Amino acid sequence: KAGVTQTPRYLIKTRGQQVTLSCSPISGHRSVSWYQQTPGQGLQFLFEYFSETQRNKGNFPGRFSGRQFSNSRSEMNVSTLELGDSALYLCASSLGPSGGRYNEQFFGPGTRLTVL
Amino acid sequence: DQQVKQNSPSLSVQEGRISILNCDYTNSMFDYFLWYKKYPAEGPTFLISISSIKDKNEDGRFTVFLNKSAKHLSLHIVPSQPGDSAVYFCAASESGGTYKYIFGTGTRLKVLA
Repeated sequence: KAGVTQTPRYLIKTRGQQVTLSCSPISGHRSVSWYQQTPGQGLQFLFEYFSETQRNKGNFPGRFSGRQFSNSRSEMNVSTLELGDSALYLCASSLGPSGGRYNEQFFGPGTRLTVL
Repeated sequence: DQQVKQNSPSLSVQEGRISILNCDYTNSMFDYFLWYKKYPAEGPTFLISISSIKDKNEDGRFTVFLNKSAKHLSLHIVPSQPGDSAVYFCAASESGGTYKYIFGTGTRLKVLA
C-alpha cells in the first residue's frame, strides 16, 4: 500500500506570493491533517479535513487555508507569504478522524517551503 | 500555551545503554498518548502509543510509561542502537474533546557507537 505523498517536496517563493501544497493520503484514509514544523516549535497543527469538511483548525492566520476533495486528496494554500512561513509542512492521514485510539496518523515526507 | 512539553531538546546515549525520553503535559483531559520518530527528510513515523487506562505499554525495545498524577510520560529504548538516532515527538489527544493531536517540540536522540 502506497504511503502518504506530498508534492512538491521543495519550494522556494518570495514574500507576498502565494503557494499551494498537495497531499495524497493512504488509500482508504478519509482524514487529512496538516502541520507546520519549525525548529524549536515542534509540529504545530494547522487544520484537519475529514470527508471534505474542515473538522479542526489550529491557531494560524486566515492566510492559511485548505480543502479536501472527494477522493480525500487535500491541498493547503498560503497567501501573501511571509519570511516566517518558511518551514516544513507535513501532511498526515488516518482512517477516521484523528485523535484517540485506532486513528493513528501516518505522515508524508513533507514539503520544505523557503520564503525569500 | 504549550500543552505538551519536551524539555530536553537533545540527548546523547552510548550504544547498548538505555535511552529515556521525557514528555510532560498540562491538560488532564488528555487520555491517549503517542510517540513518533522522525529521521531527516522524512515524515514522522508512529512508534508506540498508550491509553490513559494503562501505565505501561511495551513493544520490543520500546516501552512507554505513563504517570497520570504527574502528567508525565516517558519512552524507554533498551538497548539503544545507532539507528535509533532521530528526533522523537510525543503527542497527546483528548478523545472526548477536539480529537486533534497536540505535539511536543521534539527531542533529538543521538546514539553513539
